Amino acid sequence: GAVVSQHPSRVICKSGTSVKIECRSLDFQATTMFWYRQFPKQSLMLMATSNEGSKATYEQGVEKDKFLINHASLTLSTLTVTSAHPEDSSFYICSAWGGLGDTQYFGPGTRLTVL
Amino acid sequence: GQNIDQPTEMTATEGAIVQINCTYQTSGFNGLFWYQQHAGEAPTFLSYNVLDGLEEKGRFSSFLSRSKGYSYLLLKELQMKDSASYLCAVRDNDMRFGAGTRLTVKP
Repeated sequence: GAVVSQHPSRVICKSGTSVKIECRSLDFQATTMFWYRQFPKQSLMLMATSNEGSKATYEQGVEKDKFLINHASLTLSTLTVTSAHPEDSSFYICSAWGGLGDTQYFGPGTRLTVL
Repeated sequence: GQNIDQPTEMTATEGAIVQINCTYQTSGFNGLFWYQQHAGEAPTFLSYNVLDGLEEKGRFSSFLSRSKGYSYLLLKELQMKDSASYLCAVRDNDMRFGAGTRLTVKP
């Protein structure tokens, strides 16, 4: 079946640094990918919709200059958390619609810890 | 604003049927999603309803009534591995998630 991978699975960084998270669709092409964030013991939150070859669409309240999204190919989207701070520590998850377009596949997530 | 309401916790017995309800109040509607999420893991997609009615997929079914702002997820022949959180999400201009229902399946 369709698979979405994320890299890295876990990252620890110092406050003020930038972190890039990759999301790949391994056996299908994804013109649209989604980025979510989940804080401990909270529900999911959709951050943005990543569109291949065009600008991402951000949800209300998500800073586009802080969370940079690039969808340069049909199999790769990246999320860069710029100037990360401890409050950005979270579980970041990507997904894409695959197969016949009727199933949404999630990556395994990336746990970001900002010290 | 948008409200997505679902029960916080439910308990059911292995082999039984459980129904998890979700009610929503949104200014628009472009679809309702159900996801399963085991503790510490990324979610998995269960269903997407945009039209009224029942969608069946194996042991899982999802129902939608747009006029009532209501959906439910039905899990049949419960297995221990179904113990997880179940998230209801609604899309209009934004995507909003309910807080999730933590289901515990007991032997």
